[in-house]
Amino acid sequence: AQSVTQLGSHVSVSEGALVLLRCNYSSSVPPYLFWYVQYPNQGLQLLLKYTSAATLVKGINGFEAEFKKSETSFHLTKPSAHMSDAAEYFCATWVINAGNMLTFGGGTRLMVKP
Amino acid sequence: DTGVSQNPRHKITKRGQNVTFRCDPISEHNRLYWYRQTLGQGPEFLTYFQNEAQLEKSRLLSDRFSAERPKGSFSTLEIQRTEQGDSAMYLCASSLVLAWNEQFFGPGTRLTVL
Repeated sequence: AQSVTQLGSHVSVSEGALVLLRCNYSSSVPPYLFWYVQYPNQGLQLLLKYTSAATLVKGINGFEAEFKKSETSFHLTKPSAHMSDAAEYFCATWVINAGNMLTFGGGTRLMVKP
Repeated sequence: DTGVSQNPRHKITKRGQNVTFRCDPISEHNRLYWYRQTLGQGPEFLTYFQNEAQLEKSRLLSDRFSAERPKGSFSTLEIQRTEQGDSAMYLCASSLVLAWNEQFFGPGTRLTVL
């Protein structure tokens, strides 16, 4: 069975600083990987996805993530944080033939200080 | 394209009462998913439909839970004899079969059981 671990339930950065949100997955077969963002009182919005093409994936709002099979990781980064990036971020995985559902990590709340 | 909508947005009920939530997916999407998200956790898969057929159910979906999608468009999720442990955000998502890896989420229904 697959699982997703997000290290750090809360991350705080200053505006303009690098954002790094960590995600590690556990899967017996190569997974598809996703990052979603959730703003208060809103649904989840897809930021980016890895589907076995390029290992460096660029998403919306300047975010990107790199799939590293050797480290079973899919960390999310953004070079310069903006106040509007403050939200909850979820990493998720999907394994073909292991159920047609996304498996989510516990989430990381990103806080951006002025 | 008005996105995925869910009603009501908030529901407060007393333990033992029945509640029903509605999800209207994006109009051309033939897959519809239900997830549950408890405070501080990532969403957990409950069930999904392809058109009107319910193809998969999680073990989280106890006998008190029932979901329907009678005409392959909107879906309802009913919880009978609610318990305090049912308090959570109930999220609906939809996708196209051929774009299964891109799920669009609604804003959720927050259930509070007193």
